[in-house]
Amino acid sequence: SQTIHQWPATLVQPVGSPLSLECTVEGTSNPNLYWYRQAAGRGLQLLFYSVGIGQISSEVPQNLSASRPQDRQFILSSKKLLLSDSGFYLCAWSWAKENTEAFFGQGTRLTVV
Amino acid sequence: KQEVTQIPAALSVPEGENLVLNCSFTDSAIYNLQWFRQDPGKGLTSLLLIQSSQREQTSGRLNASLDKSSGRSTLYIAASQPGDSATYLCAVRPTAGTYKYIFGTGTRLKVLA
Repeated sequence: SQTIHQWPATLVQPVGSPLSLECTVEGTSNPNLYWYRQAAGRGLQLLFYSVGIGQISSEVPQNLSASRPQDRQFILSSKKLLLSDSGFYLCAWSWAKENTEAFFGQGTRLTVV
Repeated sequence: KQEVTQIPAALSVPEGENLVLNCSFTDSAIYNLQWFRQDPGKGLTSLLLIQSSQREQTSGRLNASLDKSSGRSTLYIAASQPGDSATYLCAVRPTAGTYKYIFGTGTRLKVLA
């Protein structure tokens, strides 16, 4: 069976510090991978998605970047965090076919202070 | 541009009631619609996936329907229990553009014992 791991679960970082959140998927190959952010009282906002190694599409221009160094690894990064980067970050995967469902990790609560 | 709306934003019901959560979307060109459950501070758990060619899906006490032409889906929960308390989110996967999922803002359900 497939599993998705996301860490850390919680993170408190000062403004201006770097960020690295990691997500890995097991039990499948060549998945589509996604990073979403969920701000308080708002829906899930798609930040990045990837259909293959090194292929990253950005949905929202911002202070964040994503990378996919391996088939089942997806990393969300920032060089300098802003207060507005605080939120709940969720990684997700789906099979490459367009009619399949999405599966989510347990999320990372990021607080920028 | 596809938009997904969920009404009501919050709902409180006594235990044992049957209830209906609503999801509407503006563009009927979708591959599928997925219902999720989110517990506080946690990731999303997939409940039901309805393909665009299907009318409904059932899992235990849950039944989801899809009327693609009118842009609506409902999640029916039978005999609600306190353990059903969570936020319920729906998401559509548009056929246009990229492999992404567009979410509603969710319905926060509280089932009172």
